[in-house]
Amino acid sequence: KAGVTQTPRYLIKTRGQQVTLSCSPISGHRSVSWYQQTPGQGLQFLFEYFSETQRNKGNFPGRFSGRQFSNSRSEMNVSTLELGDSALYLCASSSGPLEYNEQFFGPGTRLTVL
Amino acid sequence: ELKVEQNPLFLSMQEGKNYTIYCNYSTTSDRLYWYRQDPGKSLESLFVLLSNGAVKQEGRLMASLDTKARLSTLHITAAVHDLSATYFCAVDIMNRDDKIIFGKGTRLHILP
Repeated sequence: KAGVTQTPRYLIKTRGQQVTLSCSPISGHRSVSWYQQTPGQGLQFLFEYFSETQRNKGNFPGRFSGRQFSNSRSEMNVSTLELGDSALYLCASSSGPLEYNEQFFGPGTRLTVL
Repeated sequence: ELKVEQNPLFLSMQEGKNYTIYCNYSTTSDRLYWYRQDPGKSLESLFVLLSNGAVKQEGRLMASLDTKARLSTLHITAAVHDLSATYFCAVDIMNRDDKIIFGKGTRLHILP
């Protein structure tokens, strides 16, 4: 069974640009969650999608958005990039809502904003 | 302010020894997660603790949750070098959108 995949793995952007990251969950999993990891702020929860609906969103500005498609694949978008958005972005999938089910993480997308 | 505090933040220990990592949190929750992260790698889910008194074990790791004390522990028995990693706890905050608050992580280094 294929694991969680994230594309791209590495990305370099400049301030003011926007970026879209993609996450393909394990087959059959309906929940996808996104996390941001930075040296300064540590790990932070971004949002969770389940069956194409956003269930929760962390304390991030509106520049951070996401969506989930009918095949459970998810994308997150960051508009008007800032230097502080440089981070490792992780997605995780689970068979059901994350509070009841084990999460499986992808390898991450490392975003650098110059 | 919501806080999830892990201690210690750094731990260097000898193989074969036992030790405990503590995770204290400042708000009501009855769900807590433990994760492992190897250097330069992604996260791996270790335990999902869903109720007061929950105890889970996997190999040399055992996690427990005391919701009254707002405390979870991750106990390492007879440590081996392969357990060297950073361990994070995360508290699931019910009825809040921001949902999950992580601790800063405990960097564990086990000396062979």
